[in-house]
Amino acid sequence: KTQVEQSPQSLVVRQGENCVLQCNYSVTPDNHLRWFKQDTGKGLVSLTVLVHENDKTSNGRYSATLDKDAKHSTLHITATLLDDTATYICVVGDRGSALGRLHFGAGTQLIVIP
Amino acid sequence: EAAVTQSPRNKVTVTGGNVTLSCRQTNSHNYMYWYRQDTGHGLRLIHYSYGAGNLQIGDVPDGYKATRTTQEDFFLLLELASPSQTSLYFCASSVPTGASSYEQYFGPGTRLTVL
Repeated sequence: KTQVEQSPQSLVVRQGENCVLQCNYSVTPDNHLRWFKQDTGKGLVSLTVLVHENDKTSNGRYSATLDKDAKHSTLHITATLLDDTATYICVVGDRGSALGRLHFGAGTQLIVIP
Repeated sequence: EAAVTQSPRNKVTVTGGNVTLSCRQTNSHNYMYWYRQDTGHGLRLIHYSYGAGNLQIGDVPDGYKATRTTQEDFFLLLELASPSQTSLYFCASSVPTGASSYEQYFGPGTRLTVL
């Protein structure tokens, strides 16, 4: 059973627009949640990690929130650029160490058009 | 920044073929992982290792063997490749703990096609 669900599956926006990506999960315990960016055919690059209940993080044009009660996270991208075209993957870790497992969502494919 | 390299980057083989995927990390990380990524699925863990000579079974191990020869090198072996193993394979490494910053560092991936 999929424990990390991302929505939408794909999204097309125009350059300069903002967008919001969603991640819902059922992983227990939920030690931390990380968002990755994956360019087509490339590896995963970490954007941000959220650890605490109601955490909010910001990394340039990327900002993220975590609601552990609702087991829900959002990734906001402001003023999108063509280079933001990628798959964004939500990952939930059930421990804060290598003793735990990472649970991966299938990703949201974002396409930014001129 | 942790460095994880994989080779080859692309591989095509035939059903029944023998394939070895290589991964090297130069950051003295203890833990190394092999994942596969398929459309519509999140990354799935095949095998992982705590250190040289150690091997642990992941969630989708069938049809795969792995070997950790040194702290730096982790290999994934497909001895009788099947079309269902066509996928994008990622290697990752990590240190055992890092509190809130615990992170796995991913290689660039190897695309394997089994005809």
